[in-house]
Amino acid sequence: EAGVAQSPRYKIIEKRQSVAFWCNPISGHATLYWYQQILGQGPKLLIQFQNNGVVDDSQLPKDRFSAERLKGVDSTLKIQPAKLEDSAVYLCASSLGKTQQFFGPGTRLTVL
Amino acid sequence: GENVEQHPSTLSVQEGDSAVIKCTYSDSASNYFPWYKQELGKRPQLIIDIRSNVGEKKDQRIAVTLNKTAKHFSLHITETQPEDSAVYFCAASRGDSWGKLQFGAGTQVVVTP
Repeated sequence: EAGVAQSPRYKIIEKRQSVAFWCNPISGHATLYWYQQILGQGPKLLIQFQNNGVVDDSQLPKDRFSAERLKGVDSTLKIQPAKLEDSAVYLCASSLGKTQQFFGPGTRLTVL
Repeated sequence: GENVEQHPSTLSVQEGDSAVIKCTYSDSASNYFPWYKQELGKRPQLIIDIRSNVGEKKDQRIAVTLNKTAKHFSLHITETQPEDSAVYFCAASRGDSWGKLQFGAGTQVVVTP
């Protein structure tokens, strides 16, 4: 079974630029999550999708972050404009309902 | 909201010794407690989890204990091996928001031969 796929793996941008991350969950997993992991910290949930609907986005900085999962499969997370403090690893995870969350390899974002 | 505290932040053990990591949580409604292992530059991977209707769960050299009254849970690794070296994260979530895992800050475990 293929795991959660993410791209790109690394991204370097300057502050105030825009960036987008892509995630392809495990086939059949209806629930998809985006996490932000700042160096030395645990992952923090940004947004949770159930199919193409948002379940929780209470910790998503909506003034600059947006995410979508239009067809209930792949998802994109966008930051516009980026700030220095957005430097982190962005992890995508998926699960089959109320079960184990499987994480992707992450995208390491550096904002200069 | 939920707050999870994890101790210690770093743990150095000799190969073959045991390692114990402790987490406390604030939300008494939390009922799911997974532990993730993250090797350097890799993705977090679930190693064991426990639900609030169980006090202890074991899987080979790894065990987790839960004290609901005190609101804390612990990870126990016995007979540690160099490949156990990694960052370990505890997490908690409540039943009505089961996907919203609140993670601890992590424990860097170093197993020295």
